[in-house]
Amino acid sequence: DAGVIQSPRHEVTEMGQEVTLRCKPISGHNSLFWYRQTMMRGLELLIYFNNNVPIDDSGMPEDRFSAKMPNASFSTLKIQPSEPRDSAVYFCASRPGTSGGSYNEQFFGPGTRLTVL
Amino acid sequence: KQEVTQIPAALSVPEGENLVLNCSFTDSAIYNLQWFRQDPGKGLTSLLLIQSSQREQTSGRLNASLDKSSGRSTLYIAASQPGDSATYLCAVRRPNQGGKLIFGQGTELSVKP
Repeated sequence: DAGVIQSPRHEVTEMGQEVTLRCKPISGHNSLFWYRQTMMRGLELLIYFNNNVPIDDSGMPEDRFSAKMPNASFSTLKIQPSEPRDSAVYFCASRPGTSGGSYNEQFFGPGTRLTVL
Repeated sequence: KQEVTQIPAALSVPEGENLVLNCSFTDSAIYNLQWFRQDPGKGLTSLLLIQSSQREQTSGRLNASLDKSSGRSTLYIAASQPGDSATYLCAVRRPNQGGKLIFGQGTELSVKP
């Protein structure tokens, strides 16, 4: 199993540009989560999906942020327009369904380090 | 509102020492609690998950305990090794909130050879 895959691993962009982060969850997992990690605020949940449907997006900071999950194997987090304060590490995580002993555990990807100049 | 606190923020110990990392949460109504390890520049690795009905979980040299009534969890690391150096985070999941995890700020552990 390849684990959760995120791309790109690093992204440097200029203020005002559109940024798209990508995530491929572990095959067979039903839930997908997007987190943001900063020194000031730690790890925060932005949004999560169950069976490709957004369930809770209360953590999405502003309308500049949007997330989609068009199918069970792919999700995107888009920031448009980006701002310097969006600089952070963005993590994607996935979780199995209700079967199996580890169904409660979340498995994290390596993250995307975003720098907005 | 659920808040998760980890103390200390940083800890340095000599190799071979047994140590305890602390995690406290303000609302005892949790579904489960999960301990993670994060290496610099890397993602999170799940170490142990304790359901709300459990008191402890063990994996190798790691033992995590849970006391819901007092809002506390500890992660015990036996015979620490330099390879244990990392940031350790705890996260709680509340009932009826899907998979939403609320994280502590983490404890940065350094094990000196």
